[in-house]
Amino acid sequence: NAGVTQTPKFQVLKTGQSMTLQCAQDMNHEYMSWYRQDPGMGLRLIHYSVGAGITDQGEVPNGYNVSRSTTEDFPLRLLSAAPSQTSVYFCASSYSGQPPIYEQYFGPGTRLTVT
Amino acid sequence: GQSLEQPSEVTAVEGAIVQINCTYQTSGFYGLSWYQQHDGGAPTFLSYNALDGLEETGRFSSFLSRSDSYGYLLLQELQMKDSASYFCAVPFSGGYNKLIFGAGTRLAVHP
Repeated sequence: NAGVTQTPKFQVLKTGQSMTLQCAQDMNHEYMSWYRQDPGMGLRLIHYSVGAGITDQGEVPNGYNVSRSTTEDFPLRLLSAAPSQTSVYFCASSYSGQPPIYEQYFGPGTRLTVT
Repeated sequence: GQSLEQPSEVTAVEGAIVQINCTYQTSGFYGLSWYQQHDGGAPTFLSYNALDGLEETGRFSSFLSRSDSYGYLLLQELQMKDSASYFCAVPFSGGYNKLIFGAGTRLAVHP
């Protein structure tokens, strides 16, 4: 199993550009989530999904969109990049049969810089 | 609101024991998780406590006291590879599908 994979690993954007961060998992996990991590800080939840077709907002959803058309994939879209979105983005998944969600498997991260 | 408090940094020597504390404020408590993150890496799950008491997994143990809204991670027989950041996390109030993380404790292990 590859676990949770994310692409790209690094990305530089100009202010106002849009892009999609890709996330995929091959563990048949129903639950997937996106976090951002800023230097010296913990992870903040952006959006999450409890299954295909179901998404919801986390702590910091503004400026980001998600969709979940399959169990495997959960892309994160930046609509109009801003320097404040410079961060490391982590995708995570977990087995939804274990509520509450406490054990998550994280991807390697995407390091995004917005200039 | 919800919050988790952890020390920002802890230093210890190889072979020693270190305790990383976490206090939390949340309603509808569902449990406390711990994650480890090495520099440049992804967080990895270490442990979860839903009930009071100590859970032991090898060199790592985690403790929870729900009455005190407090938990800790205990690392024994410290090794250089334990140098990392450690995060406590709790599900959001009113929604156990969302995890909120503390700011993390950076552990430096010295020879």
